[in-house]
Amino acid sequence: GDSVTQMEGPVTLSEEAFLTINCTYTATGYPSLFWYVQYPGEGLQLLLKATKADDKGSNKGFEATYRKETTSFHLEKGSVQVSDSAVYFCALSALYGGSQGNLIFGKGTKLSVKP
Amino acid sequence: GAGVSQTPSNKVTEKGKYVELRCDPISGHTALYWYRQSLGQGPEFLIYFQGTGAADDSGLPNDRFFAVRPEGSVSTLKIQRTERGDSAVYLCASSLAGQTEDTQYFGPGTRLTVL
Repeated sequence: GDSVTQMEGPVTLSEEAFLTINCTYTATGYPSLFWYVQYPGEGLQLLLKATKADDKGSNKGFEATYRKETTSFHLEKGSVQVSDSAVYFCALSALYGGSQGNLIFGKGTKLSVKP
Repeated sequence: GAGVSQTPSNKVTEKGKYVELRCDPISGHTALYWYRQSLGQGPEFLIYFQGTGAADDSGLPNDRFFAVRPEGSVSTLKIQRTERGDSAVYLCASSLAGQTEDTQYFGPGTRLTVL
């Protein structure tokens, strides 16, 4: 079945460091790909998404490119801030059978940014 | 506008009891999803509604779990004969039309604890 694998956490970085969180997927067909973020004490919210191959999603300085050839959607940010400390979830949304849009999530990666 | 709301925010119950969890989606969203998130894991799909009908209930773990959306807006997740293993955060999400590329907007969740 469809699945998402993302790098294990926790990840601890210093402020202004470069961030990469790896995400790979297995899916039938052509899924849409998402990064959701969960800040401490808050609900899940969309960070960015890409709906077809080679699309780049971006938001708040974060970027991820939909790579069909490597089935990947790695999250990157050039210079992290303390306020980026959160849990990040990679997810895919595939159309199969009677299902539409059900999200399949990775396990999440906890990021802590130190001043 | 108002986001997705869920009530109660916390529910503590005893093993064997019946519980109901409520979700109020974003107005005008036809698609509604329920997910369950255990500690340290990503959310797992339970059931998807398109309008009033359950389009996909393949994620419901067993027949103790049931959900309804009688008027195509508010949804209730019902759990009979609760077990300790049902303890988790139950998340509700809605999207405009349930298409794979649509963004799902999540509520804050209901934390269920079964003693």
